[in-house]
Amino acid sequence: QLQLQESGPGLVKPSETLSLTCTVSGGSISRSSYYWGWIRQPPGKGLEWIGSIYYSGNTYDNPSLKSRVTISVDTSKNQFSLKLSSVTAADTAVYYCATSHHDFPWFDPWGQGTLVTVSS
Amino acid sequence: EIVMTQSPATLSVSPGERATLSCRASQSVSSNLAWYQQRPGQAPRLLIYGASTRATGIPARFSGSGSGTQFTLTISSLQSEDFAVYYCQQYNNWPRYTFGQGTKLEIK
Repeated sequence: QLQLQESGPGLVKPSETLSLTCTVSGGSISRSSYYWGWIRQPPGKGLEWIGSIYYSGNTYDNPSLKSRVTISVDTSKNQFSLKLSSVTAADTAVYYCATSHHDFPWFDPWGQGTLVTVSS
Repeated sequence: EIVMTQSPATLSVSPGERATLSCRASQSVSSNLAWYQQRPGQAPRLLIYGASTRATGIPARFSGSGSGTQFTLTISSLQSEDFAVYYCQQYNNWPRYTFGQGTKLEIK
């Protein structure tokens, strides 16, 4: 059974780049037809899909984030990563990683989430 | 972008009673809709996919219905652990997804 765990700095300065990693256990990140995604939730607000990477390496991101998103995979560490550039206070949120499948395109399971605060 | 709108924003219901939550899509998403439950301090948990299929381990008191642009999540007899926030999500144009803004189900 797949399990996901986010990690990374909890505090990022404005204008810098937010970097998070999601470690996958219970299965290979290279397995066919899987998508690996990031979702965020500002304090007290709803969920926003950030982007996903397919096992083949193709990436997809939310146009509202104006090309600030980079998602990559490190198969040697069974991890995938998120970089969000030029952050502002509006990027303060709990960031979740989650997985979906080509034939089962809903998110399941999710990581526990990690809070990232953007502040000087 | 497909916009998902949930109503009401907050629903107050007594334990043991039925709760009905609504989700509307700005254009048809067929049956490509999921529901998630989020308890305080926890990650969302998949409840329903395909608009009406319960995920593994989800109790039978949870049911989903609808297709096209109108969807409903019904909880038949509320238990204490069901008081949480519920989100709908369309995956009709995956891998680009959108969520509703959530419905908070609170104890009356």
